[in-house]
Amino acid sequence: ETGVTQTPRHLVMGMTNKKSLKCEQHLGHNAMYWYKQSAKKPLELMFVYSLEERVENNSVPSRFSPECPNSSHLFLHLHTLQPEDSALYLCASSQGAKNSPLHFGNGTRLTVT
Amino acid sequence: QKEVEQDPGPLSVPEGAIVSLNCTYSNSAFQYFMWYRQYSRKGPELLMYTYSSGNKEDGRFTAQVDKSSKYISLFIRDSQPSDSATYLCAMKEDTGRRALTFGSGTRLQVQP
Repeated sequence: ETGVTQTPRHLVMGMTNKKSLKCEQHLGHNAMYWYKQSAKKPLELMFVYSLEERVENNSVPSRFSPECPNSSHLFLHLHTLQPEDSALYLCASSQGAKNSPLHFGNGTRLTVT
Repeated sequence: QKEVEQDPGPLSVPEGAIVSLNCTYSNSAFQYFMWYRQYSRKGPELLMYTYSSGNKEDGRFTAQVDKSSKYISLFIRDSQPSDSATYLCAMKEDTGRRALTFGSGTRLQVQP
């Protein structure tokens, strides 16, 4: 069982829906990340939170809105998505130094219809 | 040109073969190099983590970094069907940013 848990595992939503992805880490880490993984493309960093403060934001469209209420939980709020946003959304966490390796969850497979 | 290039495969080998997976990169500021393994319907898991140039060995896995050629490799000895997965290389500069730069992954199939 991974130390980073993501729910739901699968999500189908229409372009006008609002939904949220949830991530919880049980590793005592102090940084959390959202990545997007599309077929045959490298993982794309979306957001980084360190000690609940957003420290990196990679020019992500405003239809994606992250929230980090504490160091163990991370959300990605979704609204008015486009079909090209269909992808695997991965949450990760790391501890301490900025060069610490990432620990990933198993992702949420999102399909936008 | 992509910052990190990785052959997507699939790479198909018989059980017991030695597997060589590679990435090339263009950013000479990369100092930290990682290999992740991703099984189908799972998230990536860290396999190897190295700093700067040199070799690192862990069981059947050996990671090599050649910074002069901007080339990294992962070798798998005595490959097993359970090694069938997608292998992602990742790299990072030694800066204040936490972001990793990933390759697009190589799919490996080990045939029993």
